[in-house]
Amino acid sequence: GNSVTQMEGPVTLSEEAFLTINCTYTATGYPSLFWYVQYPGEGLQLLLKATKADDKGSNKGFEATYRKETTSFHLEKGSVQVSDSAVYFCALSGVDGGSQGNLIFGKGTKLSVKP
Amino acid sequence: GAGVSQSPSNKVTEKGKDVELRCDPISGHTALYWYRQSLGQGLEFLIYFQGNSAPDKSGLPSDRFSAERTGGSVSTLTIQRTQQEDSAVYLCASSFRSYQPQHFGDGTRLSIL
Repeated sequence: GNSVTQMEGPVTLSEEAFLTINCTYTATGYPSLFWYVQYPGEGLQLLLKATKADDKGSNKGFEATYRKETTSFHLEKGSVQVSDSAVYFCALSGVDGGSQGNLIFGKGTKLSVKP
Repeated sequence: GAGVSQSPSNKVTEKGKDVELRCDPISGHTALYWYRQSLGQGLEFLIYFQGNSAPDKSGLPSDRFSAERTGGSVSTLTIQRTQQEDSAVYLCASSFRSYQPQHFGDGTRLSIL
């Protein structure tokens, strides 16, 4: 079936460290891929997206590249800040046989950045 | 406001009672989704509405769950005869149309005693 697997947290980093959160997917067809972020006490927000192979989504210093050959969409940031502390969700939509655009989420990865 | 609005923000009820959760999508958004976020299951899709088409109910976990969307705008998720395993945060999202980026509300935290 269609699914998203992301690295389990929590991930704890020092400020200005490099961040990678791994995400791989299983899907039929050609899904769109997303990273959502949930800051403490807030709702889910779209962080970035990519709709086809080799697309790179980017926002707020975060990047992720849609890799069809490895079915991956890893999230990276070169220098994290304390304000990046949040839970990050990888998600996909638009798979064959699925609803029209409903998201399939990974379990989430909690990131804590220490000053 | 301009975002997706959900009410109530918190709901505590006794096992066996019925509950109604409300979602006001962003004006002009034709697609509306309900999800459930729980510790054990993560984020799960429940139901999807697109305009006046029949909803996709494929994610509803049991027949105790139902939802409707009136006038293509406000949606209500109803859980009948609540069980403790229904305790979760219920999230609503809307998008301009299917496959467009979804905007989420802050959710309703449901606690079943």
